[in-house]
Amino acid sequence: DTGVSQDPRHKITKRGQNVTFRCDPISEHNRLYWYRQTLGQGPEFLTYFQNEAQLEKSRLLSDRFSAERPKGSFSTLEIQRTEQGDSAMYLCASSLGHQGRSGNTIYFGEGSWLTVV
Amino acid sequence: DQQVKQNSPSLSVQEGRISILNCDYTNSMFDYFLWYKKYPAEGPTFLISISSIKDKNEDGRFTVFLNKSAKHLSLHIVPSQPGDSAVYFCAADQAGTALIFGKGTTLSVSS
Repeated sequence: DTGVSQDPRHKITKRGQNVTFRCDPISEHNRLYWYRQTLGQGPEFLTYFQNEAQLEKSRLLSDRFSAERPKGSFSTLEIQRTEQGDSAMYLCASSLGHQGRSGNTIYFGEGSWLTVV
Repeated sequence: DQQVKQNSPSLSVQEGRISILNCDYTNSMFDYFLWYKKYPAEGPTFLISISSIKDKNEDGRFTVFLNKSAKHLSLHIVPSQPGDSAVYFCAADQAGTALIFGKGTTLSVSS
């Protein structure tokens, strides 16, 4: 399978603990995105990378959240001091995108469910 | 403020009939629009897209129509099948930046 893969698929953690999610994009894709989805909402943009550069961050991405893509391949999303409001599905996506050029179709992974108890 | 709106949370259709899902947007700078389909506990799957230079794009049973003056797009599924039952998200792109999604419409197709 050469799609976007995410790990772990499910994570239950206690409030205050740190969690880390990993995403492996489609191999030839230069862009990688993180979105969050809660019940009744569409995917909400968190951040994206073009190669290893983090180009945009949403205001949803508080200082407890950090994302990295050190070599322009896989990415990690870490949430520190988790809160119950962080419970959501965290979606990773990738695309072959070009700055300033439209037609950017992104492809999602299966998502990582986070439950904070 | 929501830039992409799907005002119908749900739609029920009989198998074989047409399903029409609607989407409105407010930002006239959006130039590429996409529809995604999502089953429970899975990530969204890309379905069909349309550039702002077109007003229609077809792919099998799926057709997307774009009305730029009204800032409105719609997804038509003909004929609808029970396997089409899912949540459908409309998304918009502005010059290759991150996609902005609507809240989704849940389609139920009964046999």
